[in-house]
Amino acid sequence: QVQLVQSGAEVKKPGASVKVSCKASGYTFTGYYMHWVRQAPGQGLEWMGRINPNSGGTNYAQKFQGRVTMTRDTSISTAYMELSRLRSDDTAVYYCAREGWGNWGQGTLVTVSS
Amino acid sequence: DIQMTQSPSSLSASVGDRVTITCQASQDISNYLNWYQQKPGKAPKLLIYDASNLETGVPSRFSGSGSGTDFTFTISSLQPEDIATYYCQQYDNLPLFGQGTRLEIK
Repeated sequence: QVQLVQSGAEVKKPGASVKVSCKASGYTFTGYYMHWVRQAPGQGLEWMGRINPNSGGTNYAQKFQGRVTMTRDTSISTAYMELSRLRSDDTAVYYCAREGWGNWGQGTLVTVSS
Repeated sequence: DIQMTQSPSSLSASVGDRVTITCQASQDISNYLNWYQQKPGKAPKLLIYDASNLETGVPSRFSGSGSGTDFTFTISSLQPEDIATYYCQQYDNLPLFGQGTRLEIK
């Protein structure tokens, strides 16, 4: 069965960067886009971008252009999302989701606090 | 850019009621629309894909309809376990979620 397992919670200071991983299993990793979605406390879902694990090509939401980098390592079926220049309003749960949207990671809480 | 307008933002209904949520796109998105259920502390769960197709394993009391710019999500008979927040999402171009509808039991 398809599984997406994300890395653990992070606490970062403002201005730092965070890198969240999403390890896929149960399907051909390179066959499906991987999306990243975040959710601030008490707020809605916000699409951040996607990566084509086959080519490495990316599309980012305009809001995150210049601050987000999505990469992958096909040898270990893992996708990564790195967000830089963190601010307090980046505090959120970050999810990966496989194209088709029926499979999501468990979420990674990133807390940005001085 | 496509905008999604979901309404209402919150809804209170009784067990057994028919519940309807709407989502309007600012331009034609064909049937490229999903509906999700999210419970506190959990990842969203896909209920309806391509506007009207029930995801495998999802109870038949959930349904979706519409195409183009206007979409509707319906729970035919509300159950206590349906208390959650529901989101629409378009994926015609770059994905975008609606603002969400918080559903409560009256």
